[in-house]
Amino acid sequence: AQSVTQLGSHVSVSEGALVLLRCNYSSSVPPYLFWYVQYPNQGLQLLLKYTSAATLVKGINGFEAEFKKSETSFHLTKPSAHMSDAAEYFCAVISYNNNDMRFGAGTRLTVKP
Amino acid sequence: KAGVTQTPRYLIKTRGQQVTLSCSPISGHRSVSWYQQTPGQGLQFLFEYFSETQRNKGNFPGRFSGRQFSNSRSEMNVSTLELGDSALYLCASSSQQGNTEAFFGQGTRLTVV
Repeated sequence: AQSVTQLGSHVSVSEGALVLLRCNYSSSVPPYLFWYVQYPNQGLQLLLKYTSAATLVKGINGFEAEFKKSETSFHLTKPSAHMSDAAEYFCAVISYNNNDMRFGAGTRLTVKP
Repeated sequence: KAGVTQTPRYLIKTRGQQVTLSCSPISGHRSVSWYQQTPGQGLQFLFEYFSETQRNKGNFPGRFSGRQFSNSRSEMNVSTLELGDSALYLCASSSQQGNTEAFFGQGTRLTVV
């Protein structure tokens, strides 16, 4: 089954700095990759998804992610962090065989003033 | 358009009891998936229902079961509760099978004492 690995359980950046959250997927090309954000005591909100139409995917709130097959990566970036970006971020993949969504362990983003 | 609604938001149960959680998907969505989220195990897929049929199942014991009604609303049942079942249970709905774009509810926080 497909899987994703998120490098770094905690990331801390200053307000206005670049946000980079890392996600690597298992080796075979997955049909779909996703980034979700979760605020405390809330469900998950979809930030963006990759469906093979374009390697650079733009999402909501200024986030984007680039699919790199050579690196089996789908890292999430935002040029300038805002205090409201503090949350937990999950990378996810659709399992090609089973159609169930597999999540990474999550990365907690802290934004310092 | 109303989002995914999960009830109740919070629940406290005693070991050995059983519990039923409810999920109302977005209107028109026919696929409902359930996830368990815990600090130790992260987000784990429980099962997916589409048109009243269970299409996929994660690696959980038979104490965890679910069903979907003709109006696409879904219920999840856990029997003989254990302390380790304490978790945030998330429901996600999508318009088609396979979670190609899933919308999550706010979750039900279950505490087993």
